[in-house]
Amino acid sequence: GAVVSQHPSRVICKSGTSVKIECRSLDFQATTMFWYRQFPKKSLMLMATSNEGSKATYEQGVEKDKFLINHASLTLSTLTVTSAHPEDSSFYICSASRAGAGNEQFFGPGTRLTVL
Amino acid sequence: AQTVTQSQPEMSVQEAETVTLSCTYDTSESDYYLFWYKQPPSRQMILVIRQEAYKQQNATENRFSVNFQKAAKSFSLKISDSQLGDAAMYFCAYSKRFGGGGSEKLVFGKGTKLTVNP
Repeated sequence: GAVVSQHPSRVICKSGTSVKIECRSLDFQATTMFWYRQFPKKSLMLMATSNEGSKATYEQGVEKDKFLINHASLTLSTLTVTSAHPEDSSFYICSASRAGAGNEQFFGPGTRLTVL
Repeated sequence: AQTVTQSQPEMSVQEAETVTLSCTYDTSESDYYLFWYKQPPSRQMILVIRQEAYKQQNATENRFSVNFQKAAKSFSLKISDSQLGDAAMYFCAYSKRFGGGGSEKLVFGKGTKLTVNP
């Protein structure tokens, strides 16, 4: 149990376009979902925390208007990279937590975004 | 603010041998969780082991065990009988306990790249 999926796994887009990444908890209801960005050979950098039905909490330095997060249900959160530019190219990972799991986060497989 | 430090960017071990990865953290909280996550080349993050700060007993999961020293704020991971499949990035992470039904964020260390030599 506790499987998290992400879609798409890879996406290539042109500069100036927007890209949406979906994160789903497949077999549990997620109390909280998290979005991370990971640069090559680096650690995970938390971008934002979201709870179903409320606005996401962004980490310092993360542009809210650039990285739109929607948490429409207890099993789905989306990250939209708006007006993407080459510097937004990165590996994006989502995770989800559930009640009773002792703060353990269950991670999706990640999405590799390349902006040309 | 809480911080997590992994002082070993890279480690290597011979297959079947034992290796210990270091992690220290800084917090003013008394109740929290500590985690070791593994990220193999596939980049899928996998939980290796979790420790609750209020438990004095060190957590173990098969070949993986931790040495949790609360006073020293140290949380090392020992991998016994290392296997080729253990090769990965290992991240130490901290989370303070949250009682509101949600989940607190994880604070990650920079990671240790483990190589297992055949």
